[in-house]
Amino acid sequence: NAGVMQNPRHLVRRRGQEARLRCSPMKGHSHVYWYRQLPEEGLKFMVYLQKENIIDESGMPKERFSAEFPKEGPSILRIQQVVRGDSAAYFCASSPDITDTQYFGPGTRLTVL
Amino acid sequence: EDKVVQSPLSLVVHEGDTVTLNCSYEVTNFRSLLWYKQEKKAPTFLFMLTSSGIEKKSGRLSSILDKKELFSILNITATQTGDSAVYLCAPADSGGSNYKLTFGKGTLLTVNP
Repeated sequence: NAGVMQNPRHLVRRRGQEARLRCSPMKGHSHVYWYRQLPEEGLKFMVYLQKENIIDESGMPKERFSAEFPKEGPSILRIQQVVRGDSAAYFCASSPDITDTQYFGPGTRLTVL
Repeated sequence: EDKVVQSPLSLVVHEGDTVTLNCSYEVTNFRSLLWYKQEKKAPTFLFMLTSSGIEKKSGRLSSILDKKELFSILNITATQTGDSAVYLCAPADSGGSNYKLTFGKGTLLTVNP
C-alpha cells in the first residue's frame, strides 16, 4: 500500500508565478489535509477536504491560495502570484475517516526567488 | 487559541543514552495527542494517546499522557544514530474542528556515535 504521494518534491518559482502542488492520498483515504511549515516554525493547518468538498479552509490565506480535491485525481493546492513569504514546506496528509491518524506525505518544498 | 510547547528545543546525546522529550499543551476540547518523527521528509506516525496513565510502547520508544497536567512525554532508550530527527507532538481537538492537529515546533534530537 503506497503512502501519501506528493509532487513535485521541490518547486522553484519566481515572484508572481503560480505554484501547483499535488497530493495523492493513501488508497482508501478520502480525507485530505494540507499543512504548511515555515522555516523555524511548526506545521500549521491550512485546509481540510473530502472528495469534491472543502470542509474547512480556515487556515488558508484568503487571497491567492486555493485547494481542490476532485472526484478523480489528486488534491491540488494552488498558489497564485507567489511571493517570497510563500517559501515553505507544504505537507499533505490523509486519513480514511475523520477520527483516524493522519498519514503524511514527503512534502513539497517551495522556493520563491 | 490552542497552544503546544515542546522541550527541549534541541538535544544532543551519544548512542546508548536515554532521552525524554516533553510536550505540554492547551487544547479547548482535547481528543487525543499524536507523536510524529520527522526526518528530512514526511512526519512518520509514532503514537496516538487518548487515555491518561497508559503507556504505549514500540520497541525502544514509549510515550505516556497526563490529561490532568496537560502533558505528554516520549522516551527513547538505548538511542541510535537513526533516532536523529525532529520529534513533533500534536494534540487533536474533539470539538467542531476535530481534524485539526496543532503541532509544536518540535524537539531536534541528534544522536552521535
